[in-house]
Amino acid sequence: GIQVEQSPPDLILQEGANSTLRCNFSDSVNNLQWFHQNPWGQLINLFYIPSGTKQNGRLSATTVATERYSLLYISSSQTTDSGVYFCAVERESGNTGKLIFGQGTTLQVKP
Amino acid sequence: GAGVSQTPSNKVTEKGKYVELRCDPISGHTALYWYRQSLGQGPEFLIYFQGTGAADDSGLPNDRFFAVRPEGSVSTLKIQRTERGDSAVYLCASSLLGRAVNEQFFGPGTRLTVL
Repeated sequence: GIQVEQSPPDLILQEGANSTLRCNFSDSVNNLQWFHQNPWGQLINLFYIPSGTKQNGRLSATTVATERYSLLYISSSQTTDSGVYFCAVERESGNTGKLIFGQGTTLQVKP
Repeated sequence: GAGVSQTPSNKVTEKGKYVELRCDPISGHTALYWYRQSLGQGPEFLIYFQGTGAADDSGLPNDRFFAVRPEGSVSTLKIQRTERGDSAVYLCASSLLGRAVNEQFFGPGTRLTVL
C-alpha cells in the first residue's frame, strides 16, 4: 500500500519562529489533507490540497504531486499551534476516499 | 452548521463485553468513515460507507468488529467480546464523496478503554 512519511517527528519552537513540516508519499494521490490534532484529540482541517498552493492566515501549504511531497508552513508560531500535525492521502487508484495517515509531527511552541 | 458528532465521548468496559459506538455525520454527507487511533499513532482506516452499504470494510481487524448505517445517516460501530487491545480512540468522518472535492471532516472521537 501507499506509504506516508512525515518529518520531522518532533519539533520544538520558540514563539514567533517559523517552521516547515514535510509529507512524502509513495504513490500518486487523489486527495491530500493536512490536519492539526489539538490536545483534546480533535482533528481540525487545515488544508485540502492534492496539488498547488494554498494560504490561510499564518499557515500555507504546497503540494507537488509529480514529486510526491507536500509542505506545511507555519509562520510566526503561537503557543496555540502546539499539537500534532498529520498529513493524510487518498491513493489515486482507490475509489473509496479512505485516507492513509502519516505518523504525524508533534509541535511544541514555547512562550 | 453542526459538525460530525460521536457518542459516547468516553467508554470504559470490561474484557469480554459488547460495546456500541455511534456517529452522526454532517447532514447531507453521503460517505461515512470509521478510523481507529492508538496512542502515538496516526488514525487507521476501518470501514467506509457510501449510503447504507459498507463499500470497503478491509480495515476491520477481525470478525468481532461490525458496523451498520441502516438509513444512510447515523452509523454504529459494534465490537463484540472486547479485548484489551481494542483500547483506542475511535474516530468517525464524513464527506461528500463523488464530488470534485472529497474533503473529510472528523468527529471528536470516542475513547474506548477495555479493562
